[in-house]
Amino acid sequence: DAKTTQPPSMDCAEGRAANLPCNHSTISGNEYVYWYRQIHSQGPQYIIHGLKNNETNEMASLIITEDRKSSTLILPHATLRDTAVYYCIAHSGAGSYQLTFGKGTKLSVIP
Amino acid sequence: DGGITQSPKYLFRKEGQNVTLSCEQNLNHDAMYWYRQDPGQGLRLIYYSQIVNDFQKGDIAEGYSVSREKKESFPLTVTSAQKNPTAFYLCASSIVGQGKVGYTFGSGTRLTVV
Repeated sequence: DAKTTQPPSMDCAEGRAANLPCNHSTISGNEYVYWYRQIHSQGPQYIIHGLKNNETNEMASLIITEDRKSSTLILPHATLRDTAVYYCIAHSGAGSYQLTFGKGTKLSVIP
Repeated sequence: DGGITQSPKYLFRKEGQNVTLSCEQNLNHDAMYWYRQDPGQGLRLIYYSQIVNDFQKGDIAEGYSVSREKKESFPLTVTSAQKNPTAFYLCASSIVGQGKVGYTFGSGTRLTVV
């Protein structure tokens, strides 16, 4: 898996958009970008994934740069319940299926 | 509802004792995984299994053992050989062979050595 780099922590005001960056400059052509989040003392939860195109679902949007070297997860209207650690992972989904979870970004949503 | 059940939620063990953590899934997923998480750290892979009766060591398998006798079950035994077993243990499962590697995690077991 390509190495990903995320800031260790971020703050966001409640109701505002939270933009979480991820750098994956060595990503290969068949590797997807996955985002998971972990609320304190719970198991991580899948949020979204993408290959080249931007993606949107009911939880978030994923913006991937044209060169695929970085991406941004967007939570459009952050709530206090979005306070969590967010993990960005690059993985091809072929061959081996184990994901590598780094330290992620601790997002704190502030009232 | 389909999901993964880990039990117990909290577990206390005396030094020198083996202890087994349970993980059961009813999602019909082929692959299952065990991760360990220490405070403020990411998840580290202990063992994984992509098919019944087969499993592979992850990054930190020493002091742990697993079995996969049934598709639904992947118990983890923390042996007395594990030097620092106090941690949060997470079990996960996923479908094998599809483009999306979507993990479903259990709610975890917090093990404390007393």
